[in-house]
Amino acid sequence: DQQVKQNSPSLSVQEGRISILNCDYTNSMFDYFLWYKKYPAEGPTFLISISSIKDKNEDGRFTVFLNKSAKHLSLHIVPSQPGDSAVYFCAASAGGGTSYGKLTFGQGTILTVHP
Amino acid sequence: DTAVSQTPKYLVTQMGNDKSIKCEQNLGHDTMYWYKQDSKKFLKIMFSYNNKELIINETVPNRFSPKSPDKAHLNLHINSLELGDSAVYFCASSLSPESYEQYFGPGTRLTVT
Repeated sequence: DQQVKQNSPSLSVQEGRISILNCDYTNSMFDYFLWYKKYPAEGPTFLISISSIKDKNEDGRFTVFLNKSAKHLSLHIVPSQPGDSAVYFCAASAGGGTSYGKLTFGQGTILTVHP
Repeated sequence: DTAVSQTPKYLVTQMGNDKSIKCEQNLGHDTMYWYKQDSKKFLKIMFSYNNKELIINETVPNRFSPKSPDKAHLNLHINSLELGDSAVYFCASSLSPESYEQYFGPGTRLTVT
């Protein structure tokens, strides 16, 4: 019962183009969403997040879009750079009560940006 | 200075052994977590401690016992190791249980033979 899914195991993009990573969730109680980036042999690092009261959050080259009715979020990277090559994890939290601090992760998408 | 550190980075051991993984954070955070990344690459939360008190305890075999001597440390002890315990274990911390942003350690790759 995987409540957060990243259906694309990998994505290959040319440098300078847009990278779009997708994430779907099933739990309607999720109210906060995060994207993490992970390089090999390192732990995930926080990239960007969005609350369910918003539909877009932007931070430099990174923008996260949330479509609550579709239970879908996406991460856009523009322009993509070779240093962006990493595994990207989508995560969600229901917040409140015993769910505080509990992040549910997707299985990750490997992004490769070619020079 | 590393914010969240784990030791050891790699651990190879035989079935039936008991082993510990240590985690330390120097961020001054109150809350710490243990995650397991299995062969399918999903990161799943195992435990969370806030100021040395257990606040999240997912469905984990009781062979796994976390211990938090102080709020900067959260260790994971595993008894009677099984083949299925082979995974990468990540420690993380956050400012508080209500803080969504978590900072992860580099992971410990455990291989049980």
